[in-house]
Order: sequence, then C-alpha cells, then structure tokens
Amino acid sequence: EIVLTQSPGTLSLSPGERATLSCRASQSVSSRYLAWYQHKPGQAPRLLIFGVSSRATGIPDRFSGSGSGTDFTLTISKLEPEDFAVYYCQQYGTSPTWTFGQGTKVEVK
Amino acid sequence: QVQLVESGGGVVQPGGSLRLSCTASGFIFSDYCMHWVRQAPGKGLEWVALIWYDGTNKYYADSVKGRFTISRDNSKNTLYLQMNSLRAEDTAFYYCARTRAAALHYFDYWGQGTLLTVSS
Repeated sequence: EIVLTQSPGTLSLSPGERATLSCRASQSVSSRYLAWYQHKPGQAPRLLIFGVSSRATGIPDRFSGSGSGTDFTLTISKLEPEDFAVYYCQQYGTSPTWTFGQGTKVEVK
Repeated sequence: QVQLVESGGGVVQPGGSLRLSCTASGFIFSDYCMHWVRQAPGKGLEWVALIWYDGTNKYYADSVKGRFTISRDNSKNTLYLQMNSLRAEDTAFYYCARTRAAALHYFDYWGQGTLLTVSS
C-alpha cells in the first residue's frame, strides 16, 4: 500500500503570503491519480486539484499543483483569509483503494 | 447545486449496530459511484467503502470488511452504510462522497459528515 506523507504538519503564515505544501509517496504515483482537498471544521471537504495540476470547478487560480513520481506540491500563491484550513493529498491505487496523507494545517501566524 | 447530506450518526455501544444514510440532490444520483470516507478524532481521512453507480460492485477497506455493508437506493437518491460489530476505533465522522465511474480516482463532492461514537 502506498503511504502519503505530508509536510509540514502545520504551516503558520500571514494573509498574502505564499504557502507551499508537500506530499511525498512511498512509491511512485501515477500523475493522473494524485489529488488535493481543503477541509475546514464542520464543513465538507472540497476538491481543489486532481491529476496533479488540474484545478477543480470554481477553484481560484491562486491554487496550483505540481510534481511527479513520489513528490508533489500544492502551492497557494497568496493566502486569502478563507484559505486557512487543513489540506490533504490523496492517491488512487488499483484494487481499488484510496489513501490520504495525514494533512497539513495552514494557520494564521 | 450538488448536495450530499449524511444522517444517522450517534452513540453506540461496542458490538452494536447502526445505519448511516446519505441523501443526494442536485445531480443524477444513479450516474455516480458513491463512497464512505471517515475521519477519526485527531486523525486523517480514511476511505471506507465504494458502491458502483448501479450497485453491482462493492469494495471495502480491510478495516471494515465483513462488518460494514454499503448499499444504495437510486429511486430514493440515498446511500447507506450498515455498520455491525462496532468497535471503539470506528468512532469517527463519516462522510459520503461521489466519483464518476470513468474518474474513480478523485472525489468531486462530499457531504458535511455525521458523527459516530462507539463507547460504553
């Protein structure tokens, strides 16, 4: 089973700053099968990025995804107040199965 | 707009049973595969189960196989999760989420979740 490790666990930043979130896989992941989600307390998780770099419907272009193989990155170019949340990467494997990273919390500094 | 609303959570004793529901609206329910994903307190997300759009195929995480059963009623736009032999480690928020059969690899909409607590 592929394990996804996200870093850092917590990112303390101010609005307007750039956020760079990392997701490392224990084995190579197909680019088609890597996604990112945003989750706020009491709300439904929200799809941000699929296929490593494709933005989901309605997602602003300050969110971008990149990477390949075992190393993937979610970048938020300029943090808005509504962007403070927990972010998860997720991969899809044959079986089928879906696994998530443990999350990165982006908090207000 | 797409809405997924979970219900049925509560407090159950170890060894007990409970059925969760997820009511869908704003899209053609029978066109989508549906999943349950859970999040234990202080933990990350864990995929639990998948049911094919027409109910023909079902898949489960090893942690729930043999104890949980996923089902759906397309005439009622509703997804279910029957949970038996519950354990303390099943305590979590349970979310329903959808995927297309042609794009199983990501969940494009989720519900807000319902909380299951397994405790004596």
